[in-house]
Amino acid sequence: GAGVSQSPSNKVTEKGKDVELRCDPISGHTALYWYRQSLGQGLEFLIYFQGNSAPDKSGLPSDRFSAERTGGSVSTLTIQRTQQEDSAVYLCASTYSGALAYGYTFGSGTRLTVV
Amino acid sequence: DQQVKQNSPSLSVQEGRISILNCDYTNSMFDYFLWYKKYPAEGPTFLISISSIKDKNEDGRFTVFLNKSAKHLSLHIVPSQPGDSAVYFCAASGNQFYFGTGTSLTVIP
Repeated sequence: GAGVSQSPSNKVTEKGKDVELRCDPISGHTALYWYRQSLGQGLEFLIYFQGNSAPDKSGLPSDRFSAERTGGSVSTLTIQRTQQEDSAVYLCASTYSGALAYGYTFGSGTRLTVV
Repeated sequence: DQQVKQNSPSLSVQEGRISILNCDYTNSMFDYFLWYKKYPAEGPTFLISISSIKDKNEDGRFTVFLNKSAKHLSLHIVPSQPGDSAVYFCAASGNQFYFGTGTSLTVIP
């Protein structure tokens, strides 16, 4: 497709379970970002992948969060032992390298609810 | 620590009037500033940007103003239309974007 695709669109999980969120960026976009938006909050940076470079993980809130990007394309964000405070909309975005002036293209997000 | 702030969580404007959305930032090294628009259940979409070397950028009904000395930018929408009702995020770029908390704009027909 032409846009950034995220799956699932909604996920309800029990506290303590692990979840995996998937992002399929626009073909050819070398930079991929994960953000999350909690209720009443702005977009919180989580992790950034750029080409084959080591990812910038500085935004990950705890060691329960991890992400990988296979083959420079699809990315998976994994949250282990989910907690209620992990409930948020998780957004993935991609862009060409060095194209910060033109912004990201965001996916529609995954709404995660931890019960 | 919030590097980009939008102090007004909501704004209501009559159709046809001007909408002014404000944003403040703390880091004078930011080099690009952007506005995104977000409808419910959709990801944010890029609206307009401005380089730190400019003080104004206009695109149709949308104009962004940058006041570097005040570390302030604003988005003007003239005339406002009901379809403009959405949440607007400002963002500032370093090696990644720092987003504000958003302002929910409602344009009343």
